[in-house]
Amino acid sequence: SQKIEQNSEALNIQEGKTATLTCNYTNYSPAYLQWYRQDPGRGPVFLLLIRENEKEKRKERLKVTFDTTLKQSLFHITASQPADSATYLCAPYSGGGADGLTFGKGTHLIIQP
Amino acid sequence: EAQVTQNPRYLITVTGKKLTVTCSQNMNHEYMSWYRQDPGLGLRQIYYSMNVEVTDKGDVPEGYKVSRKEKRNFPLILESPSPNQTSLYFCASSFFGTSGIYEQYFGPGTRLTVT
Repeated sequence: SQKIEQNSEALNIQEGKTATLTCNYTNYSPAYLQWYRQDPGRGPVFLLLIRENEKEKRKERLKVTFDTTLKQSLFHITASQPADSATYLCAPYSGGGADGLTFGKGTHLIIQP
Repeated sequence: EAQVTQNPRYLITVTGKKLTVTCSQNMNHEYMSWYRQDPGLGLRQIYYSMNVEVTDKGDVPEGYKVSRKEKRNFPLILESPSPNQTSLYFCASSFFGTSGIYEQYFGPGTRLTVT
């Protein structure tokens, strides 16, 4: 069955450093992969989408990579700030068909001042 | 303002008393879905809809019903709620293009407690 793995343990990073979050997937051939941010008690907010033919995507301090051979996406936040503290969810999507979108359980990121 | 709204935001009810959680979007999105979120289990999809009158089961559909009579609305119905349906519920919507589902816009959530 399809499986998405994200670090279940919280990730503690010092302010100003780069935070790197991992999303691994199995039994998937995603056409693209989405990353979302979720704050406690709130709905997820879309951040970035990367397609299978894109190796890297950037948006301000965010960078996402997508390695279809390793079946992995990495999500980087450079020059991290305490306001970046949240849970980050990845969502691979096979694309085109009538399938629902499945989310990973998310990684809780804590940026220490 | 583009948004997804859900009502109610908080609900405490008793076992077996039918309830409906409404969801509405103002972005003319084709795709809408419902998720529940529980500690340690993450977001799990309940039902989704590709367009009006087209709905399909997600990963955890048991005990839930949906309907899509209008493009903007996608209510979630619990015919006979049970305590294991106590959860935080999110509605979401998205355009559905040739490549599939694009970025989803989520509602603010409905916290449901069934006693």
